[in-house]
Amino acid sequence: KNEVEQSPQNLTAQEGEFITINCSYSVGISALHWLQQHPGGGIVSLFMLSSGKKKHGRLIATINIQEKHSSLHITASHPRDSAVYICAVTYNTDKLIFGTGTRLQVFP
Amino acid sequence: KAGVTQTPRYLIKTRGQQVTLSCSPISGHRSVSWYQQTPGQGLQFLFEYFSETQRNKGNFPGRFSGRQFSNSRSEMNVSTLELGDSALYLCASRGQVNTEAFFGQGTRLTVV
Repeated sequence: KNEVEQSPQNLTAQEGEFITINCSYSVGISALHWLQQHPGGGIVSLFMLSSGKKKHGRLIATINIQEKHSSLHITASHPRDSAVYICAVTYNTDKLIFGTGTRLQVFP
Repeated sequence: KAGVTQTPRYLIKTRGQQVTLSCSPISGHRSVSWYQQTPGQGLQFLFEYFSETQRNKGNFPGRFSGRQFSNSRSEMNVSTLELGDSALYLCASRGQVNTEAFFGQGTRLTVV
């Protein structure tokens, strides 16, 4: 069983829809990261959080430490949001342990 | 502020050869970590360096090695290349432990 579980694996949406991607982890962590990877490979850090909620533009990330669960929300989705979204955790080191990713496609 | 720079971007090598990949972190960042991404295994941790010291190593064979220089630039080396080493190799830098990670564009290695 992977330490970090993401769902869904694939997600298709129409432009404008509200999107939620979920991430669960098995043991206590020091931080959780949400990453975005576009075709071509480069990875961009969206959020790093250890408690509560963060918002950046149309993106919102929440984490529930007791339930060991985090969600990434995209409001008013747009075709340029199409990418792979990856959840990753750290345990007081810089070693990232990754989920398997969620492939999002947003159609106009 | 320049981002994380990885060189080369693309590389084709023959089985049995060795390869060296380079990662220059964001100026002032002393932490560099390396990851391998393959379609089958996803993203996996290779090494973590801080101020020239390897602090953590992933579950990879001894053919995979790395180092970090005094200017925080890091290199990883893979010897006796195998077909299965074909992957995207990514590095990430941080200013301090447990802070946001900044990734390079990666080096895509193809072993033929």
